[in-house]
Amino acid sequence: AQSVSQHNHHVILSEAASLELGCNYSYGGTVNLFWYVQYPGQHLQLLLKYFSGDPLVKGIKGFEAEFIKSKFSFNLRKPSVQWSDTAEYFCAVRGWDDKIIFGKGTRLHILP
Amino acid sequence: GAVVSQHPSRVICKSGTSVKIECRSLDFQATTMFWYRQFPKKSLMLMATSNEGSKATYEQGVEKDKFLINHASLTLSTLTVTSAHPEDSSFYICSARPATGRNSPLHFGNGTRLTVT
Repeated sequence: AQSVSQHNHHVILSEAASLELGCNYSYGGTVNLFWYVQYPGQHLQLLLKYFSGDPLVKGIKGFEAEFIKSKFSFNLRKPSVQWSDTAEYFCAVRGWDDKIIFGKGTRLHILP
Repeated sequence: GAVVSQHPSRVICKSGTSVKIECRSLDFQATTMFWYRQFPKKSLMLMATSNEGSKATYEQGVEKDKFLINHASLTLSTLTVTSAHPEDSSFYICSARPATGRNSPLHFGNGTRLTVT
């Protein structure tokens, strides 16, 4: 069964700092990978997704993620965070059975 | 963008009663809808996969007789929590995938906060 592991449960950064959130997945076949964001009081929104092709994926709001197949990783990055990026971030994987499994989430807090 | 409407957003019920939660895709058809449960400070746990016109597929450990799922049309799936107990109190989230194909992301509803007293 597939699983998703997010290394950081809670991250605190100052504005303009660079961000990298780790995500590793466990699955033997072809996968689709996602990062979702949940702002306080709002529903989950898709940040970016990887299906195939260029392993470096650009998403909304300046986020990007890199799929490294050999490492089973899909880390999320942003060069310079803003206070408005304060949210919870979820990495997710979808395998052949079409189920999307989420990681436990990383709560990101940006200090103004 | 694709919108998923979930209703109600918040419900309080007494122990032993049943509660129905609706999930509607407003501007697209969804052959598949998923129901998740989110525990405090934890991730979303997939409960079941709902396919239009067929029986739902439940994840291991999820009681199908307790969490009844009906996906009667391409735009509506319902989750009924039967004989609710306080331990069923949680945040339930539905998501839908457009019928345009597998290579499309999920769109999420706003969730339903269920409190069983």
